[in-house]
Amino acid sequence: DAGVIQSPRHEVTEMGQEVTLRCKPISGHNSLFWYRQTMMRGLELLIYFNNNVPIDDSGMPEDRFSAKMPNASFSTLKIQPSEPRDSAVYFCASSLSGGRQPQHFGDGTRLSIL
Amino acid sequence: AQTVTQSQPEMSVQEAETVTLSCTYDTSESNYYLFWYKQPPSRQMILVIRQEAYKQQNATENRFSVNFQKAAKSFSLKISDSQLGDTAMYFCAFMKGQGGSEKLVFGKGTKLTVNP
Repeated sequence: DAGVIQSPRHEVTEMGQEVTLRCKPISGHNSLFWYRQTMMRGLELLIYFNNNVPIDDSGMPEDRFSAKMPNASFSTLKIQPSEPRDSAVYFCASSLSGGRQPQHFGDGTRLSIL
Repeated sequence: AQTVTQSQPEMSVQEAETVTLSCTYDTSESNYYLFWYKQPPSRQMILVIRQEAYKQQNATENRFSVNFQKAAKSFSLKISDSQLGDTAMYFCAFMKGQGGSEKLVFGKGTKLTVNP
């Protein structure tokens, strides 16, 4: 079975540019999560969706960040405009909600903002 | 708010030996779930083991087992017969039970090195 698929795997761009990260969850999973990993702050939840509806976006740093889930098989995380402090690894994860099933993670996107 | 603390930033163990990684957490919830995830140098986040707080029996998965002490809010991971492939960052994580947020709250991680 295909796991969570994230693209791109690496992204290097200049400050001020728009960045779009993409995620395809595991088929049948109805919860989708975006996490950010940095050395200073560790792994933090940015936002999660259940049945395509945003449930908790309290971790979204500021208005420059936005996330969408237009259908059950696709989500995007957008940063506009990007800043050097946004450099991090961004993970997408999915799970089957109910019963607190484990979250399955994608391979992450390493984002570098110059 | 829930917090997860991993007090050992780094640990090392000889191949074939046993090592225990510590994790404590703080919550006022009575129903919750605890997880250990492994992150090798490849960057993947891999589930190692899952524990349901209402179950007294400690979870086991092959060479991996936990010591869950609910009253002490402690959730340590024991790795038996350590292998070179166990070298990774290990993260302890907390999730509220049914009806609460599904988000995982992670500790800062323990870097484990298995030496030949």
